[in-house]
Parts: sequence; C-alpha cells; structure tokens
Amino acid sequence: NAGVTQTPKFRVLKTGQSMTLLCAQDMNHEYMYWYRQDPGMGLRLIHYSVGEGTTAKGEVPDGYNVSRLKKQNFLLGLESAAPSQTSVYFCASSPRDSRYPQHFGDGTRLSIL
Amino acid sequence: RKEVEQDPGPFNVPEGATVAFNCTYSNSASQSFFWYRQDCRKEPKLLMSVYSSGNEDGRFTAQLNRASQYISLLIRDSKLSDSATYLCVANAGGTSYGKLTFGQGTILTVHP
Repeated sequence: NAGVTQTPKFRVLKTGQSMTLLCAQDMNHEYMYWYRQDPGMGLRLIHYSVGEGTTAKGEVPDGYNVSRLKKQNFLLGLESAAPSQTSVYFCASSPRDSRYPQHFGDGTRLSIL
Repeated sequence: RKEVEQDPGPFNVPEGATVAFNCTYSNSASQSFFWYRQDCRKEPKLLMSVYSSGNEDGRFTAQLNRASQYISLLIRDSKLSDSATYLCVANAGGTSYGKLTFGQGTILTVHP
C-alpha cells in the first residue's frame, strides 16, 4: 500500500545543474501537486495538475517545470538549479472532490551548492 | 493578510494537559477544512477533517465557526507523542479542484 512515492529522497546539486523529481501515486487520484517547504515559510504550492496532460502554476512556479504524461506520475524539473531552490519538496495527490484531503509523499531533500 | 493564519507557538505543555489551537481563514468560499500533523522533517499527515457540526476523534476535537471564519483543535490528555507541528488547512473553495491553503503551523511540545 504505497500511496504517494517520491524519488529521490535526498540529492545535492551544483548551481546550474538540472534534475527531475519523480512522484508516483497508486490511489487513482485525479489531482497532483508539488510543494516546497522552507523554515518559517510553511508549505508553498509550486505547480499542480488536475489530470493527465494538464498542469498549472501555483504560488511559486518560477524556476520549475512539470509534466504529467501519465495519471499516476507527476514530474518536477529544475532546468538550472539555484541555491534559492534548496528546500524540502513534497508531492501530494487527491481525488477530484475537494471535500477529501491531500495525501503526501515523504519528501525530497534537495541542496543546491 | 494570510489566507490561513495560526499562532505559531510554540506551546509547551506537560503530559496530561489540555491544549487548544485556533486558526482563522480569510476565504469565505472555503468549504473543506482539515488539521494535519507534521513531525520534524517528515511529511504532513492528515489528523482529521473538520465538519460544520464539530467532530471528535479520541482525544482530539475539531470545531468550525463559519460566521467568524475560524477553526479550532482541542487536544485532551496530551501525550509525549503529540509533540509535533499542527497545520490548519482550508480548501480554496469555489473551484473544482482540491487546492488547499496551509497555515504556517503551530508547534506543540509535550514534556514529562
């Protein structure tokens, strides 16, 4: 019963490098989300998706791109990593009905040097 | 004004104490509300949903006051294991997708 799975769990990058974070969910949820969490800032929505093939910007989208080619996967890309993107990244998913909560993956800790 | 505001605390209470957290939300269109719990460096986990009539789950009681736009969480008989950050959450409301707005969290420490 995996729920929401994020890979990798930890990563250290150099400024300017690129990488992709993968999120996979096995609950057949329509909606998926990427957040970042920084000390004192709470959770901030980066991008979200309401279905396969669709994505939209959240609160802090700059510097990130996303894709949802399959319903169960939501990818977050950093094309040219910057130190300001050092953070903990959480993926979440939820059913279409907004009465139901989001389920979170256990996070990716990313450091940009 | 933040969409969801919480007292950040920290709240330091002894085991067995009763502690209450309040949270206010600014979007009157919000329809769904939740309390999440987040342990240090872990993912947020759903503690309970908040219903209009109020609801209880063991030692935890959640209340919603739509007129005043606030949500509360009461923890009775606190345990050491209740130490965590508690996140108040409201959905965006008026839309077809489940966008949630998270408060910054209230830190609770329960000591022996």
